Amino acid sequence: DAGVIQSPRHEVTEMGQEVTLRCKPISGHDYLFWYRQTMMRGLELLIYFNNNVPIDDSGMPEDRFSAKMPNASFSTLKIQPSEPRDSAVYFCASSSMGGARIGYTFGSGTRLTVV
Amino acid sequence: AQTVTQSQPEMSVQEAETVTLSCTYDTSESNYYLFWYKQPPSRQMILVIRQEAYKQQNATENRFSVNFQKAAKSFSLKISDSQLGDTAMYFCAFIRYGGSQGNLIFGKGTKLSVKP
Repeated sequence: DAGVIQSPRHEVTEMGQEVTLRCKPISGHDYLFWYRQTMMRGLELLIYFNNNVPIDDSGMPEDRFSAKMPNASFSTLKIQPSEPRDSAVYFCASSSMGGARIGYTFGSGTRLTVV
Repeated sequence: AQTVTQSQPEMSVQEAETVTLSCTYDTSESNYYLFWYKQPPSRQMILVIRQEAYKQQNATENRFSVNFQKAAKSFSLKISDSQLGDTAMYFCAFIRYGGSQGNLIFGKGTKLSVKP
């Protein structure tokens, strides 16, 4: 299994531009999570899906952030318009129904820099 | 709400020695799981060890072991025979279990440096 695949690995964009981060979960996993990691706030859950349906988006910071999961093998996190304070590492993770017991599998993250 | 606290922002240890990283958590739940994740400079989050709250026996994975004190809500990680490759950020994490899956909540992390 290739694990959780995120793209791009690095993204540098100018303030005001739209940014789209992509994630392919592990096949057969029915939970998908988007986390953001910053020095100040650590790892924060932004949103998570179960069977492609958003379950909890209370961590999404503003309306500028949106996430979709059109099918079981693909999810996107979009920021429009981007701001310098959005600079962070964004992780995608997936798990099966037993994920609470065995932990989540994380992707390698996307480092976003907004200048 | 659940919280996870790691009180040691940075630690260092000599190669081959033993080091213990601290973690405390706050919850009113009775069913939950605890984890330690490692994040090396490559940025990948790697699961090191996990503990089920209903088990009294402390989990062990090779050189890694935990000291789980449920009443004290403490979950420390001991690394024996430290190796240079253990240099990384270490995150303690909590998830409740029962009903909906819930959210994996992380502490702020401890930066461990293993010195030759």
